[in-house]
Amino acid sequence: EPEVTQTPSHQVTQMGQEVILRCVPISNHLYFYWYRQILGQKVEFLVSFYNNEISEKSEIFDDQFSVERPDGSNFTLKIRSTKLEDSAMYFCASMGTGASPLHFGNGTRLTVT
Amino acid sequence: GEDVEQSLFLSVREGDSSVINCTYTDSSSTYLYWYKQEPGAGLQLLTYIFSNMDMKQDQRLTVLLNKKDKHLSLRIADTQTGDSAIYFCAENPSGAGSYQLTFGKGTKLSVIP
Repeated sequence: EPEVTQTPSHQVTQMGQEVILRCVPISNHLYFYWYRQILGQKVEFLVSFYNNEISEKSEIFDDQFSVERPDGSNFTLKIRSTKLEDSAMYFCASMGTGASPLHFGNGTRLTVT
Repeated sequence: GEDVEQSLFLSVREGDSSVINCTYTDSSSTYLYWYKQEPGAGLQLLTYIFSNMDMKQDQRLTVLLNKKDKHLSLRIADTQTGDSAIYFCAENPSGAGSYQLTFGKGTKLSVIP
């Protein structure tokens, strides 16, 4: 069964550094998402992306965050200058159409020290 | 506003049935989901139900939806130790024109051998 793949599985970075989290959505999917889960808390929506542009974003997704689909297969989340509170599990998800469920990747655990 | 509530813990004996309950607030939700998260792993889609259905059965899983009370439940028959995980209820309030999911905090299911 096709799946969403994310790399790396774990990333450690120092505060103030830039990180790029990578995702390869399911190949025929059209909608792409990033969610995050701070340890012990709810899974929270960050951003949705469709037709090469952001369609929605939450309050969490401030100017430090950006997304890109550089080559038609990868979908990336960049955090420009990481903060301690950015430490979380980041999940990528994709969806084929509006009438189908979201499929999540296994996540990237980001640790900011 | 959108909110999804779940009890945080459930403990059952192996072989018994587990019932995980969820309430949601957005009556415009057209899809409701159950995701499973094993320790350190990603979000695995277990099942989902359309809001025009009352029940959906998939092998050991039964989903019941009471739209009037905005109550969703997941029943796992013959619970196994491998079912130990956190189960997240999520709604998709597509009536708001968005495809972002709102998650509950998750119910940690512990299966006692």
